[in-house]
Amino acid sequence: RKEVEQDPGPFNVPEGATVAFNCTYSNSASQSFFWYRQDCRKEPKLLMSVYSSGNEDGRFTAQLNRASQYISLLIRDSKLSDSATYLCVVNARDDKIIFGKGTRLHILP
Amino acid sequence: ETGVTQTPRHLVMGMTNKKSLKCEQHLGHNAMYWYKQSAKKPLELMFVYSLEERVENNSVPSRFSPECPNSSHLFLHLHTLQPEDSALYLCASSQDLRPYEQYFGPGTRLTVT
Repeated sequence: RKEVEQDPGPFNVPEGATVAFNCTYSNSASQSFFWYRQDCRKEPKLLMSVYSSGNEDGRFTAQLNRASQYISLLIRDSKLSDSATYLCVVNARDDKIIFGKGTRLHILP
Repeated sequence: ETGVTQTPRHLVMGMTNKKSLKCEQHLGHNAMYWYKQSAKKPLELMFVYSLEERVENNSVPSRFSPECPNSSHLFLHLHTLQPEDSALYLCASSQDLRPYEQYFGPGTRLTVT
């Protein structure tokens, strides 16, 4: 199993819809989880940290499932501006940070 | 200026050239990082500095040489690069060493001809 794995997509979703994607990780000892967003030819930007109890920021909800070793990101009422690549980040062995390859999301008008 | 800045934003260099990439963070962070991002590949961590001391070097070829003169500045010195080194080079900083949130600069898009 890869250390951090994401479905590369692309997810093509109509505007206003709800979309969710997961990220699986292999190290059961991982403690820190993040979602980053990267627009085309731009740098990654922190979207949200993922806490054990789950967290919500406006239209975005992040959850952690330790038993199945994955984190999820849910986007409600999607906007055209949500089109981007979403990167999953997990701390792996030796506290290294591992970035996933990202999931591409296209919101369709 | 705020956040993390990088210069130059674009760089084209020949294989025999020597150039340097510069990163500056204005966030008061203690840790800084160099990443390489190639097309269709995940971010690859190259170097990690904490309080100006290199704490990690991920098997990066010696043609890449980092320098951290203080906690706000990070350089990546380049010499005798190969065409496959063409990529987006991203600098990031965090409050302390991982696993804290990292804040990225806009990157330098490097083309080696």
